[in-house]
Amino acid sequence: EVQLVESGGGLVQPGGSLRLSCAASGFTFSSYEMNWVRQAPGKGLEWVSYISSSGSTIYYADSVKGRFTISRDNAKNSLYLQMNSLRAEDTAVYYCARWGTRPLDVWGKGTTVTVSS
Amino acid sequence: QSVLTQPPSASGTPGQRVTISCSGSSSNIGSNTVNWYQQLPGTAPKLLIYSNNQRPSGVPDRFSGSKSGTSASLAISGLQSEDEADYYCAAWDDSLNAVVFGGGTKLTVL
Repeated sequence: EVQLVESGGGLVQPGGSLRLSCAASGFTFSSYEMNWVRQAPGKGLEWVSYISSSGSTIYYADSVKGRFTISRDNAKNSLYLQMNSLRAEDTAVYYCARWGTRPLDVWGKGTTVTVSS
Repeated sequence: QSVLTQPPSASGTPGQRVTISCSGSSSNIGSNTVNWYQQLPGTAPKLLIYSNNQRPSGVPDRFSGSKSGTSASLAISGLQSEDEADYYCAAWDDSLNAVVFGGGTKLTVL
C-alpha cells in the first residue's frame, strides 16, 4: 500500500525550531518529487516547499523562505522539513504529498505544529 | 489572499449539478494545468481532477473539470450527500516558482 506518514509535530515557542519527517512506503520513493503543504486551523491549503526526486531542485513559498529547509534521504525513504525561527502564523497541520505523473496524488494524514508561548 | 480565486461557498440539493469556479492569471492557470482536490471533514486532501479534466482511478465520472484561458471550473453532477466537502483548485505558478492554491470552496448538500 502506498503510504506517507508524517511525524515530528508538537508545541514549540515562538523563535524555536522543529524538524518534521515523512516516511514513505509502498512505492519507489527515489523516483518521485515531494512537497510539504500546510493548513492553518480553519483555513485553506498553503503550499510550503518542493524537492525534486534527486534533491537537486528545491523551491519554497515566500512565507517560509530563509527559515525552512526541505531535504530528503532516498536511502531511508524519508522526507524532512527543518523549521527554524518559528512564528505563531506557522501553526498548522503539515502534510507531505507526493508529486509523480499526477500532482500531489498521495498525501499523508498530517502532523500538527503549534507555535505558542 | 490566495493567488487563485474561488467562491467561498456553494450549495445544491441531491441530484443537482453544481459548478465551482477558479480564476487565476497568465502565470498559473494560463500556462499550466489545473488540479482539483477534495477535502472531506477531518481528513487529508485527495486528488480529484488533474491535468484540467482527468480523473484518477476511483473518482466517479460525476466529477469533471474544464479550463479556458486563465479560468477553470469543477462540475459535480448528480450531487450526493457524501460530496459535502471543501474543494481546492491548484496550479503551478511560473512567476512564483510555487504551487498556488485557491482559497477553497465549501460545498453544502442541502
